[in-house]
Amino acid sequence: GESVGLHLPTLSVQEGDNSIINCAYSNSASDYFIWYKQESGKGPQFIIDIRSNMDKRQGQRVTVLLNKTVKHLSLQIAATQPGDSAVYFCAENGGSNYKLTFGKGTLLTVNP
Amino acid sequence: DADVTQTPRNRITKTGKRIMLECSQTKGHDRMYWYRQDPGLGLRLIYYSFDVKDINKGEISDGYSVSRQAQAKFSLSLESAIPNQTALYFCATSDQTGRHGYTFGSGTRLTVV
Repeated sequence: GESVGLHLPTLSVQEGDNSIINCAYSNSASDYFIWYKQESGKGPQFIIDIRSNMDKRQGQRVTVLLNKTVKHLSLQIAATQPGDSAVYFCAENGGSNYKLTFGKGTLLTVNP
Repeated sequence: DADVTQTPRNRITKTGKRIMLECSQTKGHDRMYWYRQDPGLGLRLIYYSFDVKDINKGEISDGYSVSRQAQAKFSLSLESAIPNQTALYFCATSDQTGRHGYTFGSGTRLTVV
């Protein structure tokens, strides 16, 4: 999994499997978290966000889980598709309303 | 048209040259940001601006300057480019709450030789 501050980890899955990408954050003051997807040659794209008053939030094929006790965030992608291949990274706001701190990302590769 | 447009997409420049990267947005957002992305280091904040009259340094502002010419335009300048400024540069915008995520441009790949 990913931690704000480490080398880029990789995750390889088969098409159709579920993917879980992890992120450990360090700032206990953070109350807003976002997952981004970055495809090769493109800018980061917003996937889903979650506020600290929630433990889980679902989108289309994606779910974000937040565990504030251990400062851990995860992104679950259901029925992973080749188009999901990208770098995924989390961001935290450190309790501020103007600045995000980004993790280094996890490279997801989907094998057909 | 893209919500956040960066120009140029790619640029190769020589050490010591002045270069400007431009960003324009149609989101109507007040807040704009410049980030730098390096392999293994993630996205790092260079400068940010909350409105036309507001400019703030980020964590790695040395060697860079910015100009907020209008609500929709935020440019980044390297006064005297050096090779370790070779990176991928992203402009981003957000609304006033900062709690609906950022919208990023497609990036400018800058190489300083």
